[in-house]
Amino acid sequence: SQQGEEDPQALSIQEGENATMNCSYKTSINNLQWYRQNSGRGLVHLILIRSNEREKHSGRLRVTLDTSKKSSSLLITASRAADTASYFCATDARSGGSNYKLTFGKGTLLTVNP
Amino acid sequence: DSGVTQTPKHLITATGQRVTLRCSPRSGDLSVYWYQQSLDQGLQFLIQYYNGEERAKGNILERFSAQQFPDLHSELNLSSLELGDSALYFCASSAGAFSYNEQFFGPGTRLTVL
Repeated sequence: SQQGEEDPQALSIQEGENATMNCSYKTSINNLQWYRQNSGRGLVHLILIRSNEREKHSGRLRVTLDTSKKSSSLLITASRAADTASYFCATDARSGGSNYKLTFGKGTLLTVNP
Repeated sequence: DSGVTQTPKHLITATGQRVTLRCSPRSGDLSVYWYQQSLDQGLQFLIQYYNGEERAKGNILERFSAQQFPDLHSELNLSSLELGDSALYFCASSAGAFSYNEQFFGPGTRLTVL
């Protein structure tokens, strides 16, 4: 089963509006990452938030992390048509011994209409 | 451009065949990860190599194998191919051994099994 689950599955907004995507996970984590994927292309790392951080900013991106609720949110402010993409949260999970594997949710498809 | 290269971009083959996907990590990165992305399963971690050694294993089928060479490039071998193996295969790399750090993804290889 997926470690991270994004919500909503799809989001459609107008240019200039803010977009909020949520991610819930099941087990304790070292950090949580958000990635973006344009249709059929490779994933691009957006931001990483460590388990001892509560909020992080990068340009128009704001990520929050609530470890007590095992959830995170990604806010994109003043969205642009170029922000249209799928957004994934990724969390680490033990893969045996001291090894970890990055586990991705199924993603939120964001469409920003001009 | 992430600095991670993958070849080929597209691969069309028949059931029962064997293919090899190739990945060159970013300069200086010692870890290589392989992922499979399909519509029904989402993005699944397959395997990680760190400096030539297998580091972590995910949902990799026994028909699949991988290796990392001394020059740090990696190959993913898929054999006895089935229709369900049709997917996008991504390679990612990172500097360190732990997958919970930022990973840089290649553009992917789209495999179609007919």
